[in-house]
Amino acid sequence: GQNIDQPTEMTATEGAIVQINCTYQTSGFNGLFWYQQHAGEAPTFLSYNVLDGLEEKGRFSSFLSRSKGYSYLLLKELQMKDSASYLCAVRDYRGTDSWGKLQFGAGTQVVVTP
Amino acid sequence: KAGVTQTPRYLIKTRGQQVTLSCSPISGHRSVSWYQQTPGQGLQFLFEYFSETQRNKGNFPGRFSGRQFSNSRSEMNVSTLELGDSALYLCASSSFSGSNQETQYFGPGTRLLVL
Repeated sequence: GQNIDQPTEMTATEGAIVQINCTYQTSGFNGLFWYQQHAGEAPTFLSYNVLDGLEEKGRFSSFLSRSKGYSYLLLKELQMKDSASYLCAVRDYRGTDSWGKLQFGAGTQVVVTP
Repeated sequence: KAGVTQTPRYLIKTRGQQVTLSCSPISGHRSVSWYQQTPGQGLQFLFEYFSETQRNKGNFPGRFSGRQFSNSRSEMNVSTLELGDSALYLCASSSFSGSNQETQYFGPGTRLLVL
Protein backbone atom coordinates (compact mmCIF):
# COMPACT_ATOMS: atom_id res chain seq x y z
CA GLY A 1 0.00 0.00 0.00
CA GLN A 2 0.86 3.65 -0.09
CA ASN A 3 2.07 5.20 3.13
CA ILE A 4 3.82 8.43 3.96
CA ASP A 5 4.53 9.08 7.63
CA GLN A 6 5.70 12.20 9.38
CA PRO A 7 5.32 13.41 12.97
CA THR A 8 2.18 15.33 13.79
CA GLU A 9 3.76 18.21 15.66
CA MET A 10 7.13 19.55 16.71
CA THR A 11 7.99 22.51 18.93
CA ALA A 12 11.27 24.41 18.89
CA THR A 13 12.70 27.69 20.09
CA GLU A 14 13.50 30.67 17.91
CA GLY A 15 17.08 30.38 16.62
CA ALA A 16 17.21 26.61 17.10
CA ILE A 17 17.30 23.78 14.54
CA VAL A 18 14.46 21.36 13.85
CA GLN A 19 14.57 18.17 11.77
CA ILE A 20 11.32 16.81 10.33
CA ASN A 21 11.48 13.16 9.30
CA CYS A 22 9.42 11.52 6.58
CA THR A 23 9.28 7.83 5.75
CA TYR A 24 7.49 6.48 2.73
CA GLN A 25 6.35 3.23 1.20
CA THR A 26 4.94 3.87 -2.27
CA SER A 27 4.37 1.75 -5.36
CA GLY A 28 6.78 3.91 -7.33
CA PHE A 29 9.24 6.69 -6.68
CA ASN A 30 10.07 9.64 -8.86
CA GLY A 31 11.05 12.30 -6.41
CA LEU A 32 10.18 13.65 -2.98
CA PHE A 33 8.91 17.15 -2.29
CA TRP A 34 8.74 19.29 0.81
CA TYR A 35 6.17 22.06 1.09
CA GLN A 36 5.47 24.69 3.71
CA GLN A 37 1.86 25.63 4.38
CA HIS A 38 0.70 28.46 6.61
CA ALA A 39 -2.83 28.28 7.96
CA GLY A 40 -5.37 29.31 5.36
CA GLU A 41 -2.83 29.48 2.55
CA ALA A 42 -1.70 27.22 -0.29
CA PRO A 43 1.42 25.06 0.06
CA THR A 44 4.69 26.72 -0.92
CA PHE A 45 7.35 24.66 -2.70
CA LEU A 46 10.51 24.22 -0.61
CA SER A 47 12.56 21.42 -2.14
CA TYR A 48 12.72 18.44 -4.45
CA ASN A 49 15.01 15.40 -4.07
CA VAL A 50 15.23 12.54 -6.53
CA LEU A 51 18.81 11.40 -5.90
CA ASP A 52 20.29 10.35 -2.57
CA GLY A 53 21.98 13.04 -0.57
CA LEU A 54 21.54 16.49 0.85
CA GLU A 55 20.17 19.55 -0.96
CA GLU A 56 20.77 22.87 0.76
CA LYS A 57 18.86 26.08 0.15
CA GLY A 58 19.66 28.80 2.62
CA ARG A 59 18.24 27.95 6.04
CA PHE A 60 16.42 24.89 4.67
CA SER A 61 18.05 21.57 3.72
CA SER A 62 16.47 18.33 2.55
CA PHE A 63 17.96 14.86 2.62
CA LEU A 64 16.93 11.68 0.81
CA SER A 65 17.81 8.01 1.17
CA ARG A 66 15.92 5.98 -1.42
CA SER A 67 17.12 2.62 -0.08
CA LYS A 68 15.65 3.46 3.33
CA GLY A 69 12.53 5.20 2.07
CA TYR A 70 13.48 8.14 4.21
CA SER A 71 13.82 11.89 3.96
CA TYR A 72 14.20 14.78 6.34
CA LEU A 73 13.77 18.53 6.17
CA LEU A 74 16.17 20.54 8.31
CA LEU A 75 15.22 24.05 9.33
CA LYS A 76 18.06 26.11 10.78
CA GLU A 77 18.06 29.42 12.66
CA LEU A 78 14.34 29.12 13.25
CA GLN A 79 12.26 32.26 12.97
CA MET A 80 8.75 32.89 14.23
CA LYS A 81 7.50 33.00 10.64
CA ASP A 82 8.61 29.36 10.21
CA SER A 83 5.64 28.29 12.34
CA ALA A 84 3.62 26.35 9.77
CA SER A 85 2.70 22.88 8.58
CA TYR A 86 5.40 21.06 6.58
CA LEU A 87 4.21 18.52 4.04
CA CYS A 88 6.21 15.63 2.63
CA ALA A 89 5.02 14.31 -0.74
CA VAL A 90 6.22 11.57 -3.08
CA ARG A 91 5.70 11.52 -6.84
CA ASP A 92 4.99 7.96 -7.79
CA TYR A 93 5.67 8.12 -11.51
CA ARG A 94 6.82 10.28 -14.37
CA GLY A 95 6.62 9.28 -18.02
CA THR A 96 6.71 11.06 -21.33
CA ASP A 97 2.97 11.65 -21.30
CA SER A 98 2.06 11.48 -17.66
CA TRP A 99 3.42 12.90 -14.47
CA GLY A 100 1.59 10.65 -12.08
CA LYS A 101 0.45 12.13 -8.83
CA LEU A 102 1.83 13.36 -5.55
CA GLN A 103 1.02 11.33 -2.47
CA PHE A 104 1.07 13.61 0.56
CA GLY A 105 1.80 12.94 4.18
CA ALA A 106 -0.55 14.44 6.76
CA GLY A 107 1.89 17.24 7.54
CA THR A 108 4.00 18.21 10.55
CA GLN A 109 2.90 21.29 12.47
CA VAL A 110 6.01 23.16 13.60
CA VAL A 111 5.52 25.60 16.44
CA VAL A 112 8.32 28.11 17.01
CA THR A 113 8.35 29.67 20.47
CA PRO A 114 10.18 32.85 21.54
CA LYS B 1 6.93 34.99 -14.54
CA ALA B 2 3.40 34.89 -13.16
CA GLY B 3 2.56 32.06 -10.78
CA VAL B 4 -0.34 29.64 -10.91
CA THR B 5 -3.62 31.51 -10.78
CA GLN B 6 -7.01 30.18 -9.74
CA THR B 7 -10.46 31.68 -9.95
CA PRO B 8 -12.62 32.24 -8.08
CA ARG B 9 -10.84 32.41 -4.74
CA TYR B 10 -13.98 31.85 -2.67
CA LEU B 11 -17.29 30.28 -3.51
CA ILE B 12 -20.47 29.47 -1.62
CA LYS B 13 -22.92 26.99 -3.13
CA THR B 14 -25.83 24.92 -1.93
CA ARG B 15 -26.28 21.17 -2.07
CA GLY B 16 -27.24 19.88 -5.48
CA GLN B 17 -25.70 22.75 -7.40
CA GLN B 18 -22.69 22.45 -9.65
CA VAL B 19 -19.48 24.45 -9.70
CA THR B 20 -16.66 25.15 -12.16
CA LEU B 21 -13.21 26.17 -10.99
CA SER B 22 -10.49 27.55 -13.22
CA CYS B 23 -6.72 27.31 -13.16
CA SER B 24 -4.04 28.95 -15.29
CA PRO B 25 -0.64 27.28 -14.92
CA ILE B 26 2.73 28.94 -15.01
CA SER B 27 3.63 29.84 -18.58
CA GLY B 28 5.34 26.93 -20.29
CA HIS B 29 4.12 24.31 -17.82
CA ARG B 30 2.17 21.56 -19.53
CA SER B 31 1.21 19.41 -16.56
CA VAL B 32 -1.68 20.57 -14.39
CA SER B 33 -2.90 18.65 -11.36
CA TRP B 34 -5.85 19.23 -9.05
CA TYR B 35 -6.00 18.42 -5.36
CA GLN B 36 -8.63 18.64 -2.66
CA GLN B 37 -7.61 19.61 0.86
CA THR B 38 -9.81 19.07 3.88
CA PRO B 39 -8.92 19.06 7.58
CA GLY B 40 -9.86 15.40 7.92
CA GLN B 41 -8.34 13.93 4.76
CA GLY B 42 -5.43 16.24 4.08
CA LEU B 43 -4.31 16.75 0.48
CA GLN B 44 -5.91 14.27 -1.91
CA PHE B 45 -5.11 13.95 -5.61
CA LEU B 46 -8.05 14.53 -7.94
CA PHE B 47 -6.63 14.32 -11.47
CA GLU B 48 -3.77 15.29 -13.73
CA TYR B 49 -3.89 16.79 -17.20
CA PHE B 50 -1.05 16.79 -19.66
CA SER B 51 -1.40 18.06 -23.22
CA GLU B 52 -5.19 18.32 -22.93
CA THR B 53 -5.64 14.70 -21.86
CA GLN B 54 -6.47 13.35 -18.44
CA ARG B 55 -3.56 11.11 -17.57
CA ASN B 56 -4.36 10.13 -14.00
CA LYS B 57 -7.39 10.17 -11.75
CA GLY B 58 -7.65 9.85 -8.00
CA ASN B 59 -10.31 8.04 -6.01
CA PHE B 60 -13.13 10.52 -6.39
CA PRO B 61 -16.64 9.91 -7.72
CA GLY B 62 -17.62 10.73 -11.26
CA ARG B 63 -19.21 13.98 -10.06
CA PHE B 64 -15.69 15.37 -10.20
CA SER B 65 -14.46 16.05 -13.70
CA GLY B 66 -12.06 18.33 -15.48
CA ARG B 67 -10.53 19.36 -18.73
CA GLN B 68 -7.51 21.13 -20.13
CA PHE B 69 -7.42 23.53 -23.02
CA SER B 70 -4.80 23.95 -25.73
CA ASN B 71 -3.25 26.87 -23.83
CA SER B 72 -2.81 24.54 -20.79
CA ARG B 73 -5.49 26.31 -18.77
CA SER B 74 -7.60 23.83 -16.87
CA GLU B 75 -11.05 23.68 -15.36
CA MET B 76 -12.57 21.29 -12.90
CA ASN B 77 -16.27 20.74 -12.40
CA VAL B 78 -18.16 19.27 -9.49
CA SER B 79 -21.79 18.39 -10.11
CA THR B 80 -24.54 17.67 -7.58
CA LEU B 81 -22.59 19.21 -4.75
CA GLU B 82 -22.61 17.56 -1.34
CA LEU B 83 -21.77 19.05 2.04
CA GLY B 84 -18.60 16.97 2.12
CA ASP B 85 -17.31 18.73 -0.98
CA SER B 86 -16.55 21.79 1.12
CA ALA B 87 -12.78 22.08 0.84
CA LEU B 88 -9.84 24.00 -0.50
CA TYR B 89 -9.29 23.04 -4.14
CA LEU B 90 -5.71 23.46 -5.26
CA CYS B 91 -4.28 23.48 -8.73
CA ALA B 92 -0.60 22.81 -9.34
CA SER B 93 1.60 23.07 -12.39
CA SER B 94 4.92 21.36 -12.89
CA SER B 95 8.03 21.57 -14.95
CA PHE B 96 10.95 19.18 -15.18
CA SER B 97 14.42 20.19 -16.23
CA GLY B 98 17.13 18.10 -17.83
CA SER B 99 19.21 18.46 -14.68
CA ASN B 100 16.80 16.13 -12.87
CA GLN B 101 15.01 18.95 -11.12
CA GLU B 102 11.29 19.20 -10.82
CA THR B 103 9.36 22.10 -9.45
CA GLN B 104 5.67 21.93 -8.72
CA TYR B 105 3.93 25.08 -7.64
CA PHE B 106 0.45 25.43 -6.23
CA GLY B 107 -2.02 28.17 -6.97
CA PRO B 108 -3.69 30.07 -4.11
CA GLY B 109 -6.65 27.70 -4.18
CA THR B 110 -10.40 28.06 -4.36
CA ARG B 111 -12.16 27.72 -1.05
CA LEU B 112 -15.55 26.13 -1.65
CA LEU B 113 -18.27 26.09 0.99
CA VAL B 114 -21.34 23.96 0.35
CA LEU B 115 -24.38 24.79 2.46
